Amino acid sequence: QKEVEQDPGPLSVPEGAIVSLNCTYSNSAFQYFMWYRQYSRKGPELLMYTYSSGNKEDGRFTAQVDKSSKYISLFIRDSQPSDSATYLCATSKGTYKYIFGTGTRLKVLA
Amino acid sequence: NAGVTQTPKFQVLKTGQSMTLQCAQDMNHNSMYWYRQDPGMGLRLIYYSASEGTTDKGEVPNGYNVSRLNKREFSLRLESAAPSQTSVYFCASRKGGSTDTQYFGPGTRLTVL
Repeated sequence: QKEVEQDPGPLSVPEGAIVSLNCTYSNSAFQYFMWYRQYSRKGPELLMYTYSSGNKEDGRFTAQVDKSSKYISLFIRDSQPSDSATYLCATSKGTYKYIFGTGTRLKVLA
Repeated sequence: NAGVTQTPKFQVLKTGQSMTLQCAQDMNHNSMYWYRQDPGMGLRLIYYSASEGTTDKGEVPNGYNVSRLNKREFSLRLESAAPSQTSVYFCASRKGGSTDTQYFGPGTRLTVL
């Protein structure tokens, strides 16, 4: 079993829709949770960073962590075609090593 | 600030050839990383350097070597390339401390024939 599981998609939604992206993880020692966005043929860029459980909001993006169920989510409100990318979740125990999900490909249709 | 830079952007090698991928960061970060990204496999850590002068193996180190030349630069060497090393390679850096996160370079696309 992988330490972080993520549905690869692709996920296609109409412009303006609310998008929900999810990951599950297996190790309860993970404390730090990240979402990266990766456009085609580019490097991953940090989108959201949260520590422990709870919600964090940044503009149209909300990251949510539920440590009791080992579930992390990224919500995108009012999705735009420019949000079309692969979204990677990542976790860490707070050490040097990050564990990445395989990424979910999102396509927002105009 | 250029952030994390990688050279070359693309490379084609024949089986058995060697090459070095270069990475540099100008953010005064302490730790640096090399990942490979393959379809369906996600990002897998090859080697990392927690600080200048130290390097450690990651999840998939076989066939690779690294050098932390100074605080800015971290290179990845393939001594005898194999087709299984065809991948996209990303370098990342992180300032340090448990609340900081990694910043990635643009990647090197490597094909081994």
